[in-house]
Amino acid sequence: DVKVTQSSRYLVKRTGEKVFLECVQDMDHENMFWYRQDPGLGLRLIYFSYDVKMKEKGDIPEGYSVSREKKERFSLILESASTNQTSMYLCASSSIDTSNQPQHFGDGTRLSIL
Amino acid sequence: AQKVTQAQTEISVVEKEDVTLDCVYETRDTTYYLFWYKQPPSGELVFLIRRNSFDEQNEISGRYSWNFQKSTSSFNFTITASQVVDSAVYFCALSEADRGSTLGRLYFGRGTQLTVWP
Repeated sequence: DVKVTQSSRYLVKRTGEKVFLECVQDMDHENMFWYRQDPGLGLRLIYFSYDVKMKEKGDIPEGYSVSREKKERFSLILESASTNQTSMYLCASSSIDTSNQPQHFGDGTRLSIL
Repeated sequence: AQKVTQAQTEISVVEKEDVTLDCVYETRDTTYYLFWYKQPPSGELVFLIRRNSFDEQNEISGRYSWNFQKSTSSFNFTITASQVVDSAVYFCALSEADRGSTLGRLYFGRGTQLTVWP
């Protein structure tokens, strides 16, 4: 079974802090994704990556950056956390495949910015 | 514009009732994939099904069934004889696969919260 592991289930940080959310997958997937989930808005794509050191902006990249130094690890960075970044963050991975394999998700990190 | 629309924000049913969750999608690609995911209260998204645009055959898996109709751009999900454990948020998603599309990227609907009462 694919395992996508997010480093924290719950995280509380202060405004202005630099925040790192870590995600690791164990299936050698090329694609990795970061979403945020807010009530009534569903999942919105922040950033994604097709390969090591590659990154692509999603729909809401402002205020975020990412890092993919190793294939199995995809980090989301909040450069200077703000209260409007309080949300549930979900990481996912999938195989690069023309038949569009399903994404596999981690358990999520509920981030609160005070 | 939303590529995936789930018009039902919340649905409540009583156990053993049948319930259908609607999903309407929009794409210009001729090759695309549709997905349903379940998100129980614990938070993780669980993959349920994937269909490609060339396969309109309906699918049944236990109490779950899916009705894919290209003519109406819909991919509806029915739970038969619902149970309390079916209570969750259900997401429909679209992935486009024509040349030039972003391979592997999912476009999600906003989700339908299903509550099944005992």
